[in-house]
Amino acid sequence: DIQMTQSPSSLSASVGDRVTITCRASQSISSYLNWYQQKPGKAPKLLIYAASSLQSGVPSRFSGSGSGTDFTLTISSLQPEDFATYYCQQSYSTLRTFGQGTKLEIK
Amino acid sequence: QVTLRESGPALVKPTQTLTLTCTFSGFSLSTSGMCVSWIRQPPGKALEWLALIDWDDDKYYSTSLKTRLTISKDTSKNQVVLTMTNMDPVDTATYYCARMTPTVAFDYWGQGTLVTVSS
Repeated sequence: DIQMTQSPSSLSASVGDRVTITCRASQSISSYLNWYQQKPGKAPKLLIYAASSLQSGVPSRFSGSGSGTDFTLTISSLQPEDFATYYCQQSYSTLRTFGQGTKLEIK
Repeated sequence: QVTLRESGPALVKPTQTLTLTCTFSGFSLSTSGMCVSWIRQPPGKALEWLALIDWDDDKYYSTSLKTRLTISKDTSKNQVVLTMTNMDPVDTATYYCARMTPTVAFDYWGQGTLVTVSS
């Protein structure tokens, strides 16, 4: 199975900060990488698909980049509603896998 | 409007078999490229992908759980069913179903159903 490793596991930041979360795959997954945001008690929400495509309705402060094994999710200017847990997920293999999550907290 | 909703027991006993149903609307699982997956999340822990069924009735399972899982679909009822055998307290989790499209991302999710395994 393809293993997905996110870093950091948690992150403290302030409103207005630029934040980057990294996801690394255990083998090349081309651009088959998606990012989700999850708030407590809620289902995950798709933010970015195919490594860099913004899902409809998602604010443009969210962006994704990368290919192969290394990917990043960037939030250009944190807003109060962005404090949540973020997950990467690969779709290169039919056996889909998620990263362990990055919890973004208010500093 | 795409919606998915999970249903099933909130409480199961150890060794029992869990059956969960995902009822969806707004799309057809007979459309080329469409898939539905099950994903779970133990309390306070990360998401774990479990199984996927596609429009062509191909099925894929988590390596670690494949001996215990069965996924099936009833296209006429717009339902996907997951069974998990030999339930254990470590299987306590919120279970989600989600749609996957040809973009190969989970773009719509159900609200999740919490399943507790306890005697």
